[in-house]
Amino acid sequence: ETGVTQTPRHLVMGMTNKKSLKCEQHLGHNAMYWYKQSAKKPLELMFVYSLEERVENNSVPSRFSPECPNSSHLFLHLHTLQPEDSALYLCASSQGTSGTDLDTQYFGPGTRLTVL
Amino acid sequence: AQSVTQLGSHVSVSEGALVLLRCNYSSSVPPYLFWYVQYPNQGLQLLLKYTTGATLVKGINGFEAEFKKSETSFHLTKPSAHMSDAAEYFCAVSARAAGNKLTFGGGTRVLVKP
Repeated sequence: ETGVTQTPRHLVMGMTNKKSLKCEQHLGHNAMYWYKQSAKKPLELMFVYSLEERVENNSVPSRFSPECPNSSHLFLHLHTLQPEDSALYLCASSQGTSGTDLDTQYFGPGTRLTVL
Repeated sequence: AQSVTQLGSHVSVSEGALVLLRCNYSSSVPPYLFWYVQYPNQGLQLLLKYTTGATLVKGINGFEAEFKKSETSFHLTKPSAHMSDAAEYFCAVSARAAGNKLTFGGGTRVLVKP
């Protein structure tokens, strides 16, 4: 596997379910991100982790719970979601978060989430 | 604060014609600028980026973009469209003062007509 991978690619869940999205990066990066891409809305940054420490929580509801056990893996735990949470969830990684030329973000293919 | 405006949510071009996608940004500090492409049912792929130096940046698949500070623009062009260019294109800005936060435009969906 190369780059940034995400599983599952598609997920359908009920509002009372609990599920998790997984992201893995094979680039040796130290920072990882979760984005939400909804129809007709710009990409929204949800969370940023740098060296396994959360450095950004962009006013995301608590029904979304991120976890970064190491610099290669990032999870998004989902519970009690609403239909408006249906979206494409994208993971990205970068070398760091200092905003230098080296910190370009590389994206995974996304998980298409549908909440019934 | 940063913001990005992409003019035109949909663009239709004929195969072989010029592709021009417009992007204007707002940033209180010198920006880094990016163009990403998203093919159907896929994630975002980096096309090109501007950080410092030469203002004309060449990317993959024959695309290029020019950073014009006076116009706060970073328009994306390709001289001759190919059917495989049909996708959604996103302009994004980040700035060192904002850490590594990317702010995206709303995207432009490109349709290529044979």
